[in-house]
Amino acid sequence: ETGVTQTPRHLVMGMTNKKSLKCEQHLGHNAMYWYKQSAKKPLELMFVYNFKEQTENNSVPSRFSPECPNSSHLFLHLHTLQPEDSALYLCASSQVGPDAPQHFGDGTRLSIL
Amino acid sequence: GIQVEQSPPDLILQEGANSTLRCNFSDSVNNLQWFHQNPWGQLINLFYIPSGTKQNGRLSATTVATERYSLLYISSSQTTDSGVYFCAVVGSGGSYIPTFGRGTSLIVHP
Repeated sequence: ETGVTQTPRHLVMGMTNKKSLKCEQHLGHNAMYWYKQSAKKPLELMFVYNFKEQTENNSVPSRFSPECPNSSHLFLHLHTLQPEDSALYLCASSQVGPDAPQHFGDGTRLSIL
Repeated sequence: GIQVEQSPPDLILQEGANSTLRCNFSDSVNNLQWFHQNPWGQLINLFYIPSGTKQNGRLSATTVATERYSLLYISSSQTTDSGVYFCAVVGSGGSYIPTFGRGTSLIVHP
């Protein structure tokens, strides 16, 4: 899938580390999303940004901190994570509108030691 | 909110077989997408199909919005079709945020 780029693709970190996931979209979209997908489970919506404003926080623990400096970039800052936070983190973007399809990045596979 | 149910949850096929995956939704929709998640976790857009029928090679999809379901057809399946197929809908209640089904896990054996 082109147009939405996530870095890094893989990340291994200890519980006391601080790291950030990055997402960049080149599609001219104005909404961006973070999803978490644990092994063998469906996608869980974490955060939604609409024109840089956070419009959805799906009861996500404060150890996950999103940042959206502009409509093209989205970050997920991680600190003092737990082993159960190991998962695939997916970023998506779309236009704001009920009939706008989503486009996904390739994801960051995160492992917490 | 809108409910999305996919069936079957799991499907195992021999290469060359055909299959039909179903997505039922509980309310009228403005947007429906089918995605394929490959074994590496990448989510690939297959179809954007809030209504009607579309075809792309061996894959086709039909959404009957008035009856609140969509079908994804896979013909002459190949091992590369393995993965999880997700249906995602946006209800007509004003939101733009999709609701995902739990997916159908497909394994195609050679």
